[in-house]
Amino acid sequence: GAGVSQSPSNKVTEKGKDVELRCDPISGHTALYWYRQSLGQGLEFLIYFQGNSAPDKSGLPSDRFSAERTGGSVSTLTIQRTQQEDSAVYLCASSHERHPNTDTQYFGPGTRLTVL
Amino acid sequence: QQQVKQSPQSLIVQKGGISIINCAYENTAFDYFPWYQQFPGKGPALLIAIRPDVSEKKEGRFTISFNKSAKQFSLHIMDSQPGDSATYFCAASSGGYQKVTFGIGTKLQVIP
Repeated sequence: GAGVSQSPSNKVTEKGKDVELRCDPISGHTALYWYRQSLGQGLEFLIYFQGNSAPDKSGLPSDRFSAERTGGSVSTLTIQRTQQEDSAVYLCASSHERHPNTDTQYFGPGTRLTVL
Repeated sequence: QQQVKQSPQSLIVQKGGISIINCAYENTAFDYFPWYQQFPGKGPALLIAIRPDVSEKKEGRFTISFNKSAKQFSLHIMDSQPGDSATYFCAASSGGYQKVTFGIGTKLQVIP
């Protein structure tokens, strides 16, 4: 079956512009996560959606970052007024349900964002 | 504050050798420790995972060793192959919440 898909695969933008990154999770997965992967920094948690619960936004680095998940499926990560330090690979992952630590997170291929 | 410390950041091993990656954690509430493998241009994928009620878990050539008292765990790749060349992340999470804290990653290169 289809895995997690993300679009675009690459995005180059100018400093100060807004960008939108899209994630299509695996069908039926109720949990969705966004991570940021910077060179030498590992995987940084950004935000977590679970069903109809309020999202955990504790990892968002600033108020320029926001995310939505419509209809419990597709998610969009928006970065406003992009800065050069926002350049990174943005990864989305989904998992089936909220069992205690038993559900594997399936990652998409990521969106490589470059802010000039 | 890095809650999961991973070392080394890069590792070169000859084909057939043993690759060892170490991780240490601080939060004693962590109770699930997965390892992810990431190939260039791909997202990470779950490789193997362990809970603290066991000291070792083996799947094929991959083994996790876990030392609860020392708050350390490690990944051993036996008979390392060039196809194992990838970045490996250790991780930890706790309770019913699936927020996972990742280590910084280890770039493994297995040379023929």
